[in-house]
Amino acid sequence: EIVLTQSPGTLSLSPGERATLSCRASQSVSSSYLAWYQQKPGQAPRLLIYGASSRATGIPDRFTGSGSGTDFTLTISRLEPEDFAVYYCQQYSGSPWTFGQGTKVEIK
Amino acid sequence: EVQLVESGGGLVQPGGSLRLSCAASGFTFSSYWMTWVRQAPGKGLEWVANIKQDGSEKYYVDSVKGRFTISRDNVENSLYLQMNSLRAEDTAVYYCVRLTYYYDSSVAFDIWGQGTMVTVSS
Repeated sequence: EIVLTQSPGTLSLSPGERATLSCRASQSVSSSYLAWYQQKPGQAPRLLIYGASSRATGIPDRFTGSGSGTDFTLTISRLEPEDFAVYYCQQYSGSPWTFGQGTKVEIK
Repeated sequence: EVQLVESGGGLVQPGGSLRLSCAASGFTFSSYWMTWVRQAPGKGLEWVANIKQDGSEKYYVDSVKGRFTISRDNVENSLYLQMNSLRAEDTAVYYCVRLTYYYDSSVAFDIWGQGTMVTVSS
């Protein structure tokens, strides 16, 4: 099983600041099979990034995904009030498909 | 509007059974792999099961193999999850999710339902 470890667990930032979220895999993951999701309290997750770097439909360009192999990053260039949420990475490269434990981005 | 609506959750005793349903609309249901993903209270996300467009392939996470069965009805545009021998650790919100394969071979869960809560407790 591929284990995804996200860091930090919690990121405390102010609106307008840059957020950098890390996702590290226990073994190599094909870039085609790495995605990022956003989840707000009481809501279902929403797809942000697929294929490590492609933005899903309707996702603003302040969200950028990057990385390859075992190290992947989600960057939010300038935090908007609606961006404070929990973010999960997910891999589809090996079975079972697994998620990271999540990074909470909270208002400082 | 593309939509997935789950139903069938509730309170069940350990060892009991429950059948979840998911009604799809706004897209050609028979063209997509479909998935169940769950989230225990206050915890992260866990992939549970996948089913191919025609139902010929099904995959499960080890913890539910032999207890859960995923199925679909492409005439009714519906996805199902039959859950037997339920345990306390199965308590979670269960999401019905569409799986999309993109032109560049990448894949992602692009459409999520609102979820249905399953509580296993005596």
